[in-house]
Amino acid sequence: DAGITQSPRHKVTETGTPVTLRCHQTENHRYMYWYRQDPGHGLRLIHYSYGVKDTDKGEVSDGYSVSRSKTEDFLLTLESATSSQTSVYFCAISESGGDEAFFGQGTRLTVV
Amino acid sequence: GENVEQHPSTLSVQEGDSAVIKCTYSDSASNYFPWYKQELGKGPQLIIDIRSNVGEKKDQRIAVTLNKTAKHFSLHITETQPEDSAVYFCAASRNDYKLSFGAGTTVTVRA
Repeated sequence: DAGITQSPRHKVTETGTPVTLRCHQTENHRYMYWYRQDPGHGLRLIHYSYGVKDTDKGEVSDGYSVSRSKTEDFLLTLESATSSQTSVYFCAISESGGDEAFFGQGTRLTVV
Repeated sequence: GENVEQHPSTLSVQEGDSAVIKCTYSDSASNYFPWYKQELGKGPQLIIDIRSNVGEKKDQRIAVTLNKTAKHFSLHITETQPEDSAVYFCAASRNDYKLSFGAGTTVTVRA
């Protein structure tokens, strides 16, 4: 398995609180991605990064921000969590962008 | 942006039979088409992929076909086994590093 670690694996939080999810990789891949997975929607891209401090929005970026200060870490922040952000979040990495993406184990986030 | 549609949403097959999942995409500039398998409680894992300059690719019991004119691609699993039971996702990408996924197909292989 690719060296991707997501933390935490499970989290329950209250509406309106900030939440940060972490993705750590040991593969030194350039590209990192955050997806959310919801029934009937497959995986939808939230944000992605193509290098340190280089990030861009995906198709469902509203309410989320990201940061990448080191090659190995990509953080996803929900500034003020809402119930619609209850989901399973996956981090992915790829070496060359338009190529194979390796996924982490996922973080199940519940906003109550 | 790219829109990928995947059918069927669920598929039940008898062990040993074949399974076929079909996807269509909207962006004619898409040139990379991977298929992922997701087992319960795990992240998706790439099982096969195809690029736009190839019409078919095979890896043991798994094959993918691509029809660029019609903008659709399919996954074929032959001689299905219980361990093939999982959720399968197709995806499409241009050279902009972003994958657009289908909604997924839950495959159940009956013993």
